Amino acid sequence: DTEVTQTPKHLVMGMTNKKSLKCEQHMGHRAMYWYKQKAKKPPELMFVYSYEKLSINESVPSRFSPECPNSSLLNLHLHALQPEDSALYLCASSQGSGLAVQETQYFGPGTRLLVL
Amino acid sequence: LAKTTQPISMDSYEGQEVNITCSHNNIATNDYITWYQQFPSQGPRFIIQGYKTKVTNEVASLFIPADRKSSTLSLPRVSLSDTAVYYCLVPKPEYGNKLVFGAGTILRVKS
Repeated sequence: DTEVTQTPKHLVMGMTNKKSLKCEQHMGHRAMYWYKQKAKKPPELMFVYSYEKLSINESVPSRFSPECPNSSLLNLHLHALQPEDSALYLCASSQGSGLAVQETQYFGPGTRLLVL
Repeated sequence: LAKTTQPISMDSYEGQEVNITCSHNNIATNDYITWYQQFPSQGPRFIIQGYKTKVTNEVASLFIPADRKSSTLSLPRVSLSDTAVYYCLVPKPEYGNKLVFGAGTILRVKS
């Protein structure tokens, strides 16, 4: 199984809502990532988890809260988002620690988020 | 600073070979060059990675000259389904050597 799955595929939320994005992989990878991608722009790294511990936070606003319950799961909790947070949110995983740039990252299909 | 420069877009026809060149003048001695492909509304997909000379897999070839200041991704006999954005990535010290996606090259394959 070389797949990273993400749910939901689409999400519409108001600025006062609380929602969560879910990512799952069963490849035994120990590093997991969240990226944000705006239309016609490249993916931007948000968070990296290495062995279930947050190792990189790219100065992401606190309205985004990541969580790694176990080595196969990665969540992104959303609260009080702004319309400019509307984007495609991508999850990825890699075999190593997540801190070696040569690691191949496997991406999920993303969750398309619209904040109204 | 390790910065990559790629053409913004390229057009090709089915059956042709496509070469996308990426310049990375300040690549560090130990850095690898990695290419990803992204279709619309999908996550990027790893294509190929190399350090020097030539690397080939079932999808593409990667040519890296001796000075390593550039690399060329070669897609043989493209089809319509190869229409995608292609990203060349090298580590960036200013980002702690994490992989950072640049603008990429939009490849449009026409029939």
